[in-house]
Amino acid sequence: KQEVTQIPAALSVPEGENLVLNCSFTDSAIYNLQWFRQDPGKGLTSLLLIQSSQREQTSGRLNASLDKSSGRSTLYIAASQPGDSATYLCAVDSNYQLIWGAGTKLIIKP
Amino acid sequence: GAGVSQTPSNKVTEKGKYVELRCDPISGHTALYWYRQSLGQGPEFLIYFQGTGAADDSGLPNDRFFAVRPEGSVSTLKIQRTERGDSAMYLCASSLWSGKAYNEQFFGPGTRLTVL
Repeated sequence: KQEVTQIPAALSVPEGENLVLNCSFTDSAIYNLQWFRQDPGKGLTSLLLIQSSQREQTSGRLNASLDKSSGRSTLYIAASQPGDSATYLCAVDSNYQLIWGAGTKLIIKP
Repeated sequence: GAGVSQTPSNKVTEKGKYVELRCDPISGHTALYWYRQSLGQGPEFLIYFQGTGAADDSGLPNDRFFAVRPEGSVSTLKIQRTERGDSAMYLCASSLWSGKAYNEQFFGPGTRLTVL
């Protein structure tokens, strides 16, 4: 059974720092991995999707990597801003259903 | 085009009542998914439709939960005899297809259900 873990559960850093969020999964047989952002009480915003054959994807200040063999993905945020404060969730697509981590709550201090 | 829409955005009901939550997917998306998210947790899969049929309903917690998609577009999640533990954010997503590497699920804003 696929399980997804995100570490750390919460992270607080000063504005301007680069940071890395981690996601690990137990079964490497995945179709893709998605990173999402969720603001308090709101729905999900898709940030990046990495296909199983890809190693990384970039969008602006965000870079996500995928190492299927080791069951790991990282989300790198460059030059963090207070507006980046949110919960970040990773989800793996294991044959049409997404299996989710519990998220990392990120606070960027001005 | 329009994204996934869900109605209502908020629903407050009393224990024991019946509720319906609606999801309108992106036009042309054949796959539709329901997830449930409790406070402080990641979403959990409930049910997945390919067209009109429920391809996998293994995530439905019990027989009080039921979902339909009669014409292969709009879906309704139905909860009978609601319990306080049903309180959560209910998320709907749609995608062009399923089970492929480039399948991206697009999410609606969710329905916040509160059972008093």
